[in-house]
Amino acid sequence: GAGVSQSPSNKVTEKGKDVELRCDPISGHTALYWYRQRLGQGLEFLIYFQGNSAPDKSGLPSDRFSAERTGESVSTLTIQRTQQEDSAVYLCASSLTASLNTEAFFGQGTRLTVV
Amino acid sequence: GDSVTQMEGPVTLSEEAFLTINCTYTATGYPSLFWYVQYPGEGLQLLLKATKADDKGSNKGFEATYRKETTSFHLEKGSVQVSDSAVYFCALSAGGTSYGKLTFGQGTILTVHP
Repeated sequence: GAGVSQSPSNKVTEKGKDVELRCDPISGHTALYWYRQRLGQGLEFLIYFQGNSAPDKSGLPSDRFSAERTGESVSTLTIQRTQQEDSAVYLCASSLTASLNTEAFFGQGTRLTVV
Repeated sequence: GDSVTQMEGPVTLSEEAFLTINCTYTATGYPSLFWYVQYPGEGLQLLLKATKADDKGSNKGFEATYRKETTSFHLEKGSVQVSDSAVYFCALSAGGTSYGKLTFGQGTILTVHP
């Protein structure tokens, strides 16, 4: 595709519900990253995919968070039993390869609000 | 662990003023350094990067020099425009098991008035 696409752009959910956030990376990009940005803070790394494998899940804040990637393409970030502290903008990025110098291309994010 | 500290904002300037946004980092090894920018209503995009000590990244009139001795990567522009109003993020990529994983500063909001 032309760029990284994320859906939905906005999601309001009730506390305790599960949510799924979707990321469509740029076609051919093998590396995919999820980040979280809470209000007034920088981006926090959540998880990294190389192909369909996740060598680094160290940023997932709790076992309520999980992610998968299929077909070396689409990725889904799932948050179970959402809490108010999960409210944030969730950003997805992809890059051609997972190297030190490769540019990452970001989607516009999903703004999640837990009420 | 790796970390990036950015000058706290917001920063408000008049058009044609000089801009500096400070950025310092802590990392093991030899990271690559980046500035990303987020214009209103848009996603983050790479502004410039530097991959080794003394490298200067430049783009759209912005410059930043990788200073290993002071662990800094300050962003500068000689004459800002209203269209430069955006949020600027300093970031590093330090390799290890997650090549390409970025560690970000907290972001600096820049507003430029005519």
